Amino acid sequence: GAVVSQHPSWVICKSGTSVKIECRSLDFQATTMFWYRQFPKQSLMLMATSNEGSKATYEQGVEKDKFLINHASLTLSTLTVTSAHPEDSSFYICSARGTFNIQYFGAGTRLSVL
Amino acid sequence: SQQGEEDPQALSIQEGENATMNCSYKTSINNLQWYRQNSGRGLVHLILIRSNEREKHSGRLRVTLDTSKKSSSLLITASRAADTASYFCATDAWAAGNKLTFGGGTRVLVKP
Repeated sequence: GAVVSQHPSWVICKSGTSVKIECRSLDFQATTMFWYRQFPKQSLMLMATSNEGSKATYEQGVEKDKFLINHASLTLSTLTVTSAHPEDSSFYICSARGTFNIQYFGAGTRLSVL
Repeated sequence: SQQGEEDPQALSIQEGENATMNCSYKTSINNLQWYRQNSGRGLVHLILIRSNEREKHSGRLRVTLDTSKKSSSLLITASRAADTASYFCATDAWAAGNKLTFGGGTRVLVKP
């Protein structure tokens, strides 16, 4: 299957700082990428759909000014958590859309905000 | 909102036994996919079954789809300790555009 790389895998930051997470498709061009958030022992919650060259589409209830998404190339999408607070602590996972709408996932980023 | 509901939520079996989990959904679909997630990791695609298919096999995996009941099942045969993971179904529906809708997941523990 296709390979998606996500960095960093783990980040600790102070409250009020911003954190950038990168998601790269290594062996295919991904016009569409997705960002999810996952709480312990729960399913994935879609935050936004990232389309190359256009603005991201956010799910209801997700603050677009809080979670900035940039998809400037066919292989890279970034999620920036701005002015992070402890309630933003979570596991964030990206995926890239492939053929037949199969999604290829990154390994996830565990964010801890102190 | 999640379209898929999975049961059981958790399953504990002995190595060598079969594991079966079920997924129900609400709207018409293009296809249904199963993913696996090891603890603290991303998801890995296992198998896709199209809406016009009823059964599909991949190695020790067997997936069924009943569109009349809007349900699917995933069977893992001859389970191994390495099969310990969470398993999620995901539906690809016309109404959802290019988004997948994930079920709540089944946590499978295979004891050696």
